[in-house]
Amino acid sequence: GQQLNQSPQSMFIQEGEDVSMNCTSSSIFNTWLWYKQDPGEGPVLLIALYKAGELTSNGRLTAQFGITRKDSFLNISASIPSDVGIYFCAGQLSYGGSQGNLIFGKGTKLSVKP
Amino acid sequence: NAGVTQTPKFQVLKTGQSMTLQCAQDMNHNSMYWYRQDPGMGLRLIYYSASEGTTDKGEVPNGYNVSRLNKREFSLRLESAAPSQTSVYFCASSHQTGTGNTIYFGEGSWLTVV
Repeated sequence: GQQLNQSPQSMFIQEGEDVSMNCTSSSIFNTWLWYKQDPGEGPVLLIALYKAGELTSNGRLTAQFGITRKDSFLNISASIPSDVGIYFCAGQLSYGGSQGNLIFGKGTKLSVKP
Repeated sequence: NAGVTQTPKFQVLKTGQSMTLQCAQDMNHNSMYWYRQDPGMGLRLIYYSASEGTTDKGEVPNGYNVSRLNKREFSLRLESAAPSQTSVYFCASSHQTGTGNTIYFGEGSWLTVV
């Protein structure tokens, strides 16, 4: 089946640093979504991307839908302590009709540097 | 705005017991989903319902049944719980815009089968 490779699996951040993570696949997606999950909570949508090449920002977060439609990245600028959590990418193969389910990456866990 | 609401938040079951997880959304979305989340496995789709009256299997449907009671509600039933079904369960719903689908999650149900 389709798979998403999300990297890195985990990373440590120091307040003020920029953070970058990405997802790649061998499949072509029509939609890329980025979620953040805090402990004990459900994933919360951060950014949705619908067109190849699209670059979208949400505050300090910026995400891009790759030109090949097989990848996407998420950048966090000037990180703050509340950025810690698990970030998931999700690709959607189709929209409309009876499909529309997402394929999720396994997540990037952001922690604070000790 | 409640969004996606699922109950119960926590449940402990004995092997062989049955239970139903309830989910309701107030966003007038057509599509609803049930996912499970396990460490190292990411989010995996159990069942989804593209619209009221329809349900389809996802990636890991065995041991589960679903009911799309109406447009708002989508329940997940475990007929005979097994320890392998210990997991965190997320209900989600989605709407389609002119450009694509966006999925919103509930806060999760933590299920332990002993």
